[in-house]
Amino acid sequence: DIVLTQSPDSLAVSLGERATINCQSSQSIVHSATNKNYLAWYQQKPGQSPKLLIYWASTRESGVPDRFSGSGSGTDFTLTINSLQPDDVAVYFCQQYFTGGTFGQGTKVEIK
Amino acid sequence: QVQLVQSGAVVEKPGASVKVSCQASGYSFSSFSLSWVRQAPGQGLEWVGWISGYDGKTNYAQKFQDRLTITKDTSTSTVYMELRSLRSDDTAVYFCARGRSAIYPKAPGFFDSWGQGTLLTVSS
Repeated sequence: DIVLTQSPDSLAVSLGERATINCQSSQSIVHSATNKNYLAWYQQKPGQSPKLLIYWASTRESGVPDRFSGSGSGTDFTLTINSLQPDDVAVYFCQQYFTGGTFGQGTKVEIK
Repeated sequence: QVQLVQSGAVVEKPGASVKVSCQASGYSFSSFSLSWVRQAPGQGLEWVGWISGYDGKTNYAQKFQDRLTITKDTSTSTVYMELRSLRSDDTAVYFCARGRSAIYPKAPGFFDSWGQGTLLTVSS
């Protein structure tokens, strides 16, 4: 099974500053035929269902603010939140959908 | 708009079975897959399994292979998840989620819409 490891487990960032979350896969999740990375990012606020932010590692879902961006390829990926806003306080999960649908353990983002 | 409406919270005893439903609306049911994802209290997300909305083919996470069945009723655009031989560590919120870009059998896709969640409590 593919294992996703996120780092850090939590981070506190000042309003307006950048938050960076990493996600490392135990094996490559690039499809050789399409060269696409099978990785998505989700945001979950307390008591709510997760919300899709990013798919194919770097494609922003419709309606997601452009301060959210995804990057990386192969086994190492990053979610960046530029200019952190109060509404961004949440837990963020990466997910691989290359084989099954494994999630990372989550990263809690708070305001410093 | 896309909506996934799940059945209500349920309490079951260890060893029992449970069947949770997820009714979809606002899109072509047969054009997308549907997955189940669970979240134990205070924990992360765990993918359980998925079903193709087109032909009903399924694929389950290995740890659930012997006690999970996912089915669909196209006439009502409803997907069902049945989990048997329940244990206390099955206590969790179970979400259904619509998958995009799913490829049978291995890849359930990424999840662009989610149900509200169904709390399953397993307790004697």
